[in-house]
Amino acid sequence: GEKVEQHESTLSVREGDSAVINCTYTDTASSYFPWYKQEAGKGLHFVIDIRSNVDRKQSQRLIVLLDKKAKRFSLHITATQPEDSAIYFCAASIGGGSGNKLIFGTGTLLSVKP
Amino acid sequence: NTKITQSPRYLILGRANKSLECEQHLGHNAMYWYKQSAEKPPELMFLYNLKQLIRNETVPSRFIPECPDSSKLLLHISAVDPEDSAVYFCASSHPDSGNTLYFGEGSRLIVV
Repeated sequence: GEKVEQHESTLSVREGDSAVINCTYTDTASSYFPWYKQEAGKGLHFVIDIRSNVDRKQSQRLIVLLDKKAKRFSLHITATQPEDSAIYFCAASIGGGSGNKLIFGTGTLLSVKP
Repeated sequence: NTKITQSPRYLILGRANKSLECEQHLGHNAMYWYKQSAEKPPELMFLYNLKQLIRNETVPSRFIPECPDSSKLLLHISAVDPEDSAVYFCASSHPDSGNTLYFGEGSRLIVV
């Protein structure tokens, strides 16, 4: 089955700098890659996703890159702000069919220091 | 997120039976239970898609899901075990929203 590895367990950046979180996956059939943000004691909030028919997607300060050959995808947060501090989870699933069975990475704790 | 509500938010149990409830007001047709143990990622327990159940076969049989209608999801837990201490998240999705999963705020279960 699919395995998702999230390479950075913690990441600390200065406010205004960029943060990059990298994930790899194993199943070549995976075609949907969302990212979620979790603040302490809260639920998971969807931030951005990318599907395998594109290799780049941007939403305001968030950019997701997908390299299908390397089975790697990454989240880039530009011009970071203290409120970006949270745990970020990447995930992968085989798209279509019944529902969406997400396999999550282990999470990256991002700290943005003022 | 007030569109997916879970109750109770906190639950402290001995070896008792209890049910967790979830309701979504998004018009979604798929609902999920995820378990997140301390400092771990969420793990899929059950998925109801158009009321058809798909289960993670590693989930103990003391966890029984129920989907009385497309907007409600229950998780019945009998004779809880200390390893069941975790946060249980409900989520929902719909193909019209790209099958993006939207999560509730979770029910924290503490087994004493």
